[in-house]
Amino acid sequence: DQQVKQNSPSLSVQEGRISILNCDYTNSMFDYFLWYKKYPAEGPTFLISISSIKDKNEDGRFTVFLNKSAKHLSLHIVPSQPGDSAVYFCAAVDLSGGSNYKLTFGKGTLLTVNP
Amino acid sequence: DAGITQSPRHKVTETGTPVTLRCHQTENHRYMYWYRQDPGHGLRLIHYSYGVKDTDKGEVSDGYSVSRSKTEDFLLTLESATSSQTSVYFCAISDEVGGLGVDEQYFGPGTRLTVT
Repeated sequence: DQQVKQNSPSLSVQEGRISILNCDYTNSMFDYFLWYKKYPAEGPTFLISISSIKDKNEDGRFTVFLNKSAKHLSLHIVPSQPGDSAVYFCAAVDLSGGSNYKLTFGKGTLLTVNP
Repeated sequence: DAGITQSPRHKVTETGTPVTLRCHQTENHRYMYWYRQDPGHGLRLIHYSYGVKDTDKGEVSDGYSVSRSKTEDFLLTLESATSSQTSVYFCAISDEVGGLGVDEQYFGPGTRLTVT
């Protein structure tokens, strides 16, 4: 039972254009969401997060949008750079019930930014 | 970068042998986690710890045990390694922020384990 879904295994965009990575979730108890980036042979690194009380959070070139009614979030990267080429993981947390330190990850999307 | 190391970084072992992976942190963070990453599965939580001697199971805990006798160390043991446990293992740490009980997790560099 996959609670966090990243349905696009890969995405290819041109340098300078917008990259949009999508994530859907099924557990309505999730109320905090995070994006991680992972380069080959390295551990994932935190990128940006959003609480369910917000619908948008922005940090430089990265913006995360949350649509709670659709149980959908997306990560926008503008403008995309070749150094953004990596696997991006969406993760979700249920802050209630005492399990608020367990992340549930999606399978990841490989982003390739072409020069 | 968060002070988190994993050892060994690479290991090849035979089916049926015991294996212990070590995660060491210098950040004094409360929470520590072990994940495995496999193609087509993303990151899956094996076990986690919310304090010294306090551990609990994740979604793929069968065949694995953990121990945390000190804040800084979290050990993952495969009692009898199987080929299905060939994977990349990541340790992560986190602490509490603003009373939410969750902060972004900081990951170690990973351990590539091959069970032949």
